Amino acid sequence: QTVVTQEPSLTVSPGGTVTLTCASSTGAVTSGYYPNWFQQKPGQAPRALIYSTSNKHSWTPARFSGSLLGGKAALTLSGVQPEDEAEYYCLLYYGGAQLVFGGGTKLTVL
Amino acid sequence: QVQLVQSGAEVKKPGASVKVSCKASGYTFTSYYMHWVRQAPGQGLEWMGIINPSGGSTSYAQKFQGRVTMTRDTSTSTVYMELSSLRSEDTAVYYCARGQQLVTWGQGTLVTVSS
Repeated sequence: QTVVTQEPSLTVSPGGTVTLTCASSTGAVTSGYYPNWFQQKPGQAPRALIYSTSNKHSWTPARFSGSLLGGKAALTLSGVQPEDEAEYYCLLYYGGAQLVFGGGTKLTVL
Repeated sequence: QVQLVQSGAEVKKPGASVKVSCKASGYTFTSYYMHWVRQAPGQGLEWMGIINPSGGSTSYAQKFQGRVTMTRDTSTSTVYMELSSLRSEDTAVYYCARGQQLVTWGQGTLVTVSS
């Protein structure tokens, strides 16, 4: 069974920079996994932030960026705002129309 | 505007089945795939499967093979997710989400499995 691993929790100061990562049990994450990133706040449905590694939706704040880093997908927040406190999920595509979410990273802004 | 409206909360007994609906509006229904994702209380997101509303083809996560069925009704722009042989671990909020990039999400449907 494929497992996608994210940091369980991270803490960042307002105005700081933080990088969340997304690893696959099958090996290095490449662009062929079409990494997607989602933000979820308590009591809300998830919101799409990044698709296909680094592409932003029209509503994605400029401080969010996606990339590949050391064999993982990465989501970097630069100039973190208090409203960025949330759970973040990556989603990887494994082909044959099979997708797997990561376990999520709880980001605390403190 | 694009909208996905899901059916209301359900309470089911173990062993029963549940069918959740997701009615789409504001776009051409057959032009976008639809995913189903669930989230158990206090837990992360879990991808369940996908349906192509155009032809009705489906792909399910291995974990749910044999227990989940996704269908669609093009006349009402509605997709359905039916999960059978329910157990307590199936208690979760079930979401539909539109498109390859899961851009638009339904409001979620809480399914509670309890004896």
